[in-house]
Amino acid sequence: DTGVSQDPRHKITKRGQNVTFRCDPISEHNRLYWYRQTLGQGPEFLTYFQNEAQLEKSRLLSDRFSAERPKGSFSTLEIQRTEQGDSAMYLCASSPPGADENIQYFGAGTRLSVL
Amino acid sequence: GENVEQHPSTLSVQEGDSAVIKCTYSDSASNYFPWYKQELGKRPQLIIDIRSNVGEKKDQRIAVTLNKTAKHFSLHITETQPEDSAVYFCAVRYGQNFVFGPGTRLSVLP
Repeated sequence: DTGVSQDPRHKITKRGQNVTFRCDPISEHNRLYWYRQTLGQGPEFLTYFQNEAQLEKSRLLSDRFSAERPKGSFSTLEIQRTEQGDSAMYLCASSPPGADENIQYFGAGTRLSVL
Repeated sequence: GENVEQHPSTLSVQEGDSAVIKCTYSDSASNYFPWYKQELGKRPQLIIDIRSNVGEKKDQRIAVTLNKTAKHFSLHITETQPEDSAVYFCAVRYGQNFVFGPGTRLSVLP
């Protein structure tokens, strides 16, 4: 297990299309986070899972965004009816249980470009 | 909600000098404060963190200091090297999520 993996690395889509990204966390990491990062900014929290339960969702997240983690392992983030403002890097991070629960390991991200 | 500010936004230092980046936060209940380094085109990586029951933590050339009363914490890098050049983000744990600062671009000039 070499770390958090995200797929695809790059996605180019036309406005109005739906896109889905996948995140595979480090094995046995029960916490999983999705962030969005735009150029020159820090990661912005989108949503958080503990095992399969989605425990927190940013108020900034519109109804076009949905995330799942059906078996408590990999997670998907779907954006429906994409808009140009959705163009960003989408980062996934995972954390282990126990004393190191605060330590987040990030994936390399999926860069979305909406034309 | 939590508000995290970070200063400066850019910092240039000569190789061998020290660099200091400061973050302020608003929620006094926050109790975990990590720093991440992000090189161009790469993922953020944790470089050091501090919990609210500690005032300072060191790891070789890197240290973090925390002032809970004033609600600020700082990253200190000594004997800077060109490979320290990157964007550095502070973060604050807020409930179940993390709020990140806007980042500081550090350039270490040879």
